[in-house]
Amino acid sequence: GAVVSQHPSRVICKSGTSVKIECRSLDFQATTMFWYRQFPKQSLMLMATSNEGSKATYEQGVEKDKFLINHASLTLSTLTVTSAHPEDSSFYICSARVSGAYEQYFGPGTRLTVT
Amino acid sequence: LAKTTQPISMDSYEGQEVNITCSHNNIATNDYITWYQQFPSQGPRFIIQGYKTKVTNEVASLFIPADRKSSTLSLPRVSLSDTAVYYCLVGGGFSGGYQKVTFGTGTKLQVIP
Repeated sequence: GAVVSQHPSRVICKSGTSVKIECRSLDFQATTMFWYRQFPKQSLMLMATSNEGSKATYEQGVEKDKFLINHASLTLSTLTVTSAHPEDSSFYICSARVSGAYEQYFGPGTRLTVT
Repeated sequence: LAKTTQPISMDSYEGQEVNITCSHNNIATNDYITWYQQFPSQGPRFIIQGYKTKVTNEVASLFIPADRKSSTLSLPRVSLSDTAVYYCLVGGGFSGGYQKVTFGTGTKLQVIP
């Protein structure tokens, strides 16, 4: 149980284009999902918190107009990187939290490469 | 937010018990302590969670002293496949309220044959 999937697992896009990453909780309902970014040999950095049916809360320094987050249902959250640039190349990881619990379950991550 | 401090790296031989300690001096009353394991290019995997004293599951034990200002993850008889980065996180609580967590630097465990 408590499986989180991400799609795609890796994506390569050209500079200036937009990329959408999906995060799904497969066997549970997640009222809250989180998006992290991880650069090589670094720790995970929280980008934003996504609550079903409401606007996402972004961490300081994360551009909300560049990283669009939508949490339309209790099992799906999407992150869209708009007008991607090479410096946006990173490993993006989502996690989902079961309602009423603290534990987070992480997705397998999405490797984004912007050329 | 409770900040955590862990050793940057550790080496261990196969078959040995490994103990990784995490300091969290400003842990709050309703904070839980959770440990995750991460392999390269994968999302973190939940290992164990506790509030106080000792918690044990099929893969690890978690020791938390009475003052809760630190915790120790114990991995019995490690194998090469346990080579990974281990993160200690502090926050949240089972009250249902959400408190975001911050990942520290983690401890890179290298298991040597």
